[in-house]
Amino acid sequence: GAVVSQHPSWVICKSGTSVKIECRSLDFQATTMFWYRQFPKQSLMLMATSNEGSKATYEQGVEKDKFLINHASLTLSTLTVTSAHPEDSSFYICSAPEGNHNQPQHFGDGTRLSIL
Amino acid sequence: GQQVMQIPQYQHVQEGEDFTTYCNSSTTLSNIQWYKQRPGGHPVFLIQLVKSGEVKKQKRLTFQFGEAKKNSSLHITATQTTDVGTYFCAPADRGSTLGRLYFGRGTQLTVWP
Repeated sequence: GAVVSQHPSWVICKSGTSVKIECRSLDFQATTMFWYRQFPKQSLMLMATSNEGSKATYEQGVEKDKFLINHASLTLSTLTVTSAHPEDSSFYICSAPEGNHNQPQHFGDGTRLSIL
Repeated sequence: GQQVMQIPQYQHVQEGEDFTTYCNSSTTLSNIQWYKQRPGGHPVFLIQLVKSGEVKKQKRLTFQFGEAKKNSSLHITATQTTDVGTYFCAPADRGSTLGRLYFGRGTQLTVWP
């Protein structure tokens, strides 16, 4: 079945560091990918839609200069948390639909980000 | 995006008991998807409902979409410990072709052996 790979699984770094998270669709092409943020025991909050070859679409309240998204190819989207601070610590997870946009989403395993 | 209310937030049952989670919207939904997230894991797709009044079954799981397409439910018959996890409903963004999903807050199911 369709697989989405997310890397890294864990990141622990100092405040002020920028962190890049990769999301790859392994056996299918994804013109659109999605990035979510999840706090402990809470729901997934959609942050942005990553569009291959064009700018990402950010949800209301999400700082686009803080969370840089690049979708350079049909199988790779990256999320960079710039100048991360402790309040950015969270579980970040990506997803991609296989086929057209209304198909089920395949999720990566997520990245647990801890900023000291 | 689509706002849905999902209840209950938590449910603790003994193995063998039934479980139901409900998802309610104030607006008509084009379709709704259900996902399960195990502790420490990522969401896994369970089902997509599109038609008014639709009912779909997967072994012990029964999914329903209301006639008005404003509510949906997931019912598990005779729960097992493997059913532990958080169940999310996620309506697709109405009118959007991008497939954005806005997750409900989820129902966390605990099953006691």
